[in-house]
Amino acid sequence: EVQLVESGGGLVQRGGSLRLSCAASGFTFSNYDFVWVRQPTGKGLEWVSSIGIAGDTYYLGSVKGRFTVSRENAENSVYLQMDSLRVEDTAVYYCTRNGEGLHYWGQGTLVTVSS
Amino acid sequence: QSALTQPASVSGSPGQSITISCTGTNSDVGAYNFVSWYQQHPGKAPKLMIYDVTKWPSGVSNRFSGSKSGNTASLTISGLQVEDEADYYCCSYAGGRIFIFGGGTKLTVL
Repeated sequence: EVQLVESGGGLVQRGGSLRLSCAASGFTFSNYDFVWVRQPTGKGLEWVSSIGIAGDTYYLGSVKGRFTVSRENAENSVYLQMDSLRVEDTAVYYCTRNGEGLHYWGQGTLVTVSS
Repeated sequence: QSALTQPASVSGSPGQSITISCTGTNSDVGAYNFVSWYQQHPGKAPKLMIYDVTKWPSGVSNRFSGSKSGNTASLTISGLQVEDEADYYCCSYAGGRIFIFGGGTKLTVL
């Protein structure tokens, strides 16, 4: 069974940092791209970042230079390092596997940035 | 890049059919056959319903169908059921491993 489990969310002050983790299981991790998607409470979905099989990375304009996505194939994990956090980064962050659509999603982890 | 345009809400009665539109540009929806649709119930993670414009993931009912014409994609749900009531989001690949979502459509089953 394919599973994605996010962790690392929490409450942080503006300007602070958090590192989100996404632990994957049930498939060959190294064969897939991964995508981070966020959703502010009561609002829609927003693509944040992607990481390819080769470790190539892509970012939403408003997070470029502040967020860093990485993967560790040996650990079957994807990470999202979030620095210089802003109040507008407050959202549930989902890890998703890209392949025939964003087929599998984690349960999400809530990041709250206080002013 | 701006979000794809979806109607804020649609409604229908059980057994009826509804269609949700998703309008983008010739840089996203119009450029790639990589439009997907997601269903989200309150407090839950999104669920993939359609990918690559018209394809079903395993386990998804064929009451859900997708199409595309030019810069507009559509999701049709036939034989509406009470459990179809949810938020629906379209998503298009926009090149360079970038994805753009629609603003979401709240489906009410009356």
